[in-house]
Amino acid sequence: DAGVIQSPRHEVTEMGQEVTLRCKPISGHDYLFWYRQTMMRGLELLIYFNNNVPIDDSGMPEDRFSAKMPNASFSTLKIQPSEPRDSAVYFCASSGGPSAKLFFGSGTQLSVL
Amino acid sequence: KQEVTQIPAALSVPEGENLVLNCSFTDSAIYNLQWFRQDPGKGLTSLLLIQSSQREQTSGRLNASLDKSSGRSTLYIAASQPGDSATYLCAFLFMNTGFQKLVFGTGTRLLVSP
Repeated sequence: DAGVIQSPRHEVTEMGQEVTLRCKPISGHDYLFWYRQTMMRGLELLIYFNNNVPIDDSGMPEDRFSAKMPNASFSTLKIQPSEPRDSAVYFCASSGGPSAKLFFGSGTQLSVL
Repeated sequence: KQEVTQIPAALSVPEGENLVLNCSFTDSAIYNLQWFRQDPGKGLTSLLLIQSSQREQTSGRLNASLDKSSGRSTLYIAASQPGDSATYLCAFLFMNTGFQKLVFGTGTRLLVSP
């Protein structure tokens, strides 16, 4: 298996633009997580899905952020409109169970100018 | 609110030394803990996972222990190598408002010099 695949690897955009981050989890994994990593706040859980259903989105910072999982092999995290304070590395991760090992993608480095 | 603290924040050692990384947590109602490694510009790689009913796990030169009563976990790296240089993060799985939540520490940045 190729592991968790994220795209793009880098995204540079201007304030106010829409940003869409993509993730393909490991095949057979029922759980998918979106994390954000910054120097100031470390790793923060934004939202997670179980069997394509959002379970806990309490970490989503505000309404500008939305996430979807239309099927078991694809998820998106959208920011609209983007702001400079959204600049961070966004990670997608998947696991085979709620307390199983977590496998991370390589992340998307987002810079909002 | 669950908090996870890692000490030290950074560590520099010569090759060959044995070393210990520390992680502490404030909520004893954990399900498990994981130790991760993160290389610069990369994602996290899970190294070891300890369920709450276990006390330790070993993988090669790595040994992780869990002491729920004291709220601590340690990662022991034997005979360190330059390739071990990375940031090491611990993460605890808690139950939070009905949901399971993995809370990460801020990491220990390890540099092993040849």
